[in-house]
Amino acid sequence: QSALTQPRSVSGSPGQSVTISCTGTSSDVGAYNYVSWYQHHPGKAPKLMIYDVTKWPSGVPDRFSGSKSGNTASLTISGLQAEDEADYYCCSYAGRYTLVFGGGTKLTVL
Amino acid sequence: EVQLLESGGALVQPGGSLRLSCAASGFTFSSFEMNWVRQAPGKGLEWIAYISISGSTINHADSVKGRFIISRDNARDSLYLQMNSLRAEDTAVYYCTKSGSWNYYIDHWGQGTLVTVSS
Repeated sequence: QSALTQPRSVSGSPGQSVTISCTGTSSDVGAYNYVSWYQHHPGKAPKLMIYDVTKWPSGVPDRFSGSKSGNTASLTISGLQAEDEADYYCCSYAGRYTLVFGGGTKLTVL
Repeated sequence: EVQLLESGGALVQPGGSLRLSCAASGFTFSSFEMNWVRQAPGKGLEWIAYISISGSTINHADSVKGRFIISRDNARDSLYLQMNSLRAEDTAVYYCTKSGSWNYYIDHWGQGTLVTVSS
């Protein structure tokens, strides 16, 4: 399984919006509406931010939103805050009990 | 509160073996699928193993297939990863993770345990 493709880094100023893309194939992102996104502060456990492309787990602010078109999924963070600075990973179900992650995107809040 | 506590990480020589354990609490362990995910130094997350609720179905990433085996003990609320024929590229933090519905995503992660493969 090949990793999903994410930009290495993105940045934005407080209050702005940023979008992180996640490109897969017709065997993973394009095949299933099961894309999830994780926030990872180094040294801590990753945290689920979005699942099933667009759904929020309890406690996640609606500043975080997800979407998908074809083989590409996206995570948009609006109203950027300093605490949003972290690594973000997308993940897709890829069939037969398999998950595939993206390479990760480092978000810098300027 | 869901808690996943990994243990067993250590420094091991190439070709050696190690068994990771994960103690689960705060949820009905026997009702959820589980996975192991790892992160090598400076790299991204990598899914490496899946196990069904009963343990009858398992799957491993190609990178560890034939060397690692995932298992679980529902009576002990515990998940395991037996790691054999370890290589330098297996050096990573290993996370025990709980699946959300139907294993389409991971909804809880442990803090991770570090495995270092080096002579």
